[in-house]
Parts: sequence; structure tokens; C-alpha cells
Amino acid sequence: GENVEQHPSTLSVQEGDSAVIKCTYSDSASNYFPWYKQELGKGPQLIIDIRSNVGEKKDQRIAVTLNKTAKHFSLHITETQPEDSAVYFCAAIYYNNAGNMLTFGGGTRLMVKP
Amino acid sequence: GAVVSQHPSWVICKSGTSVKIECRSLDFQATTMFWYRQFPKQSLMLMATSNEGSKATYEQGVEKDKFLINHASLTLSTLTVTSAHPEDSSFYICSARVAGAVGYTFGSGTRLTVV
Repeated sequence: GENVEQHPSTLSVQEGDSAVIKCTYSDSASNYFPWYKQELGKGPQLIIDIRSNVGEKKDQRIAVTLNKTAKHFSLHITETQPEDSAVYFCAAIYYNNAGNMLTFGGGTRLMVKP
Repeated sequence: GAVVSQHPSWVICKSGTSVKIECRSLDFQATTMFWYRQFPKQSLMLMATSNEGSKATYEQGVEKDKFLINHASLTLSTLTVTSAHPEDSSFYICSARVAGAVGYTFGSGTRLTVV
């Protein structure tokens, strides 16, 4: 199966600064990498994803980069705002007999200080 | 977009009783649904995978007789925690994979507290 590691586990930034969260994966066959934002007491919400045929994807203040050779991908949030405070999870898709399966990283608690 | 509705959002039950959690796909057919458990400050841990009309596949260490999963239709999956104990207190989240797509949609989660 797939193994996804995520760093850092906690991240505190000042409002307006950038935040970067990094993940590595083990299965070179994985080809889809979503990022989720989870607010307290809620389910994860997809914020951005990237497929393995793309090296970078951007959506307003959020961007994700993927290095297939090194098997790592990163989430970049620019101009952070207090409402960006949440737990962020990276994930990777791997394949087994049941089809494609999602493996999560350990999560990063992002705190944006006003 | 694809929406998964999960109920209840929170439930408190007495030790020894059973609790049912429902997840419905509102605007798509969910051929496969996943059930996760999340303890405080931890990541989501997959409990089981269910395909419509067939028995669920449980992850290692998850008691299938304790966590009953039913996926009788393409729009409804249920998780029943039987004979709940305080250690079953957790945040339970369902997720559905849209047929033909690679993405996953998550429910809003259920906070179970067993007293």
C-alpha cells in the first residue's frame, strides 16, 4: 500500500505571510494528490488537487507543486488569513483490488495569527 | 458538485447501546463508500470500504461484528456501532467515490460520545 508522510505537524504564521506544507509518498504508481482542509468538528473539504501529469497547479492564493521523481508534493498558501486556520491533510491515491484508495498524511495544524 | 449528507452530526449514547450513522449521496450514485474514524489531533483512519450490494471490506484491527456497515443502495450507507463503549467515542466520517471519477467527497462527520 501507500505511505504518506506530512510535515510539519503544526505551523504558526503571521497573517499575510506564506505557509508551506510538504508531503512525501511511497508508491510511484500513485497519480492523484488531493489536499483537504478540515475545520474543527467538520469533515475534510477538498481545496486543491493535482494529477501526476502536471507539475504545478494554482487556484488564487493556493498552489500545489508535485515532483514525481522525488515523490513529494507541497501545498503553498500565500497571503494567509485567520480563516485559513485549520488542519490540512495531503493524500495520495493508490490502487488495489478494490480500485483506487486514498491514503492520508498525518495532518498539519495551521494557525494564522492576526 | 457531489454532496454527501451525514447524520447525525453528533450523538451521545449510553454504554452498551447501539448507534446508527447514515450517509447519503445527494446528487450522484456512490458505488463505493468509505468509513473513517478520527481521534483528536490525529489523521483519518480507514475502517472499512463498502460497495453497493456487497459485504464491506474491513481494515485490519476493525471488528466487523462491532461496526456494522450496510450499503444497500447507491445513495445510502450506514454504520452501526453496536454495544458501544467509551473507547468507541470518536469522530466518524464517511466518504464516497463518484462512479467513474477519481475524486472523493466527504460527509460532515459524526461526533460520537459514549458515556
